[in-house]
Amino acid sequence: GNSVTQMEGPVTLSEEAFLTINCTYTATGYPSLFWYVQYPGEGLQLLLKATKADDKGSNKGFEATYRKETTSFHLEKGSVQVSDSAVYFCALSPPTSGTYKYIFGTGTRLKVLA
Amino acid sequence: GAGVSQSPSNKVTEKGKDVELRCDPISGHTALYWYRQSLGQGLEFLIYFQGNSAPDKSGLPSDRFSAERTGGSVSTLTIQRTQQEDSAVYLCASSRGGASTDTQYFGPGTRLTVL
Repeated sequence: GNSVTQMEGPVTLSEEAFLTINCTYTATGYPSLFWYVQYPGEGLQLLLKATKADDKGSNKGFEATYRKETTSFHLEKGSVQVSDSAVYFCALSPPTSGTYKYIFGTGTRLKVLA
Repeated sequence: GAGVSQSPSNKVTEKGKDVELRCDPISGHTALYWYRQSLGQGLEFLIYFQGNSAPDKSGLPSDRFSAERTGGSVSTLTIQRTQQEDSAVYLCASSRGGASTDTQYFGPGTRLTVL
């Protein structure tokens, strides 16, 4: 079946540090892949997405590349800020026709210290 | 423009009572999803509506849960005879259509607490 595995948190970094949050998936075919962010007290917001192999999604300095060969969609940012503190969710939407429900990872909490 | 809205934002109820949660999707979006976010289970899919097609109810955890979508717009999730394990944040999302590449836009959620 379809599944998403995300690295356990929490991740604590100093401001301006490099961030990587690992995400790997299991799916039949070519799913669409998403990163969502949930800031404290707020709802889920789309951060970036990629819909085919080798696509790179990017937004607000965050990037993730859809790697079919390693079934991965790791989230990276070169220099984190305190305002990036949030919970990050990796998700996939399976390519088969029917319900395009998201399969979510468990979420990774990021805390950035000034 | 307006995003997905949900009401109430918070609901506290007693065990055994029925509750109704409302979702107002983005105008023009044909697909609507309900998810549940709880500490022990993470984010899990509950039900999906697409246009006039029969809903996919495969994620509903028990027959105490039901949902409807009237006129292809507003949706109501009903939980009958609530139990303490139903305590969670219930999220609604909508997307433009039914394709795996479509982005789902989430509402702020309804936090349900069952005492």
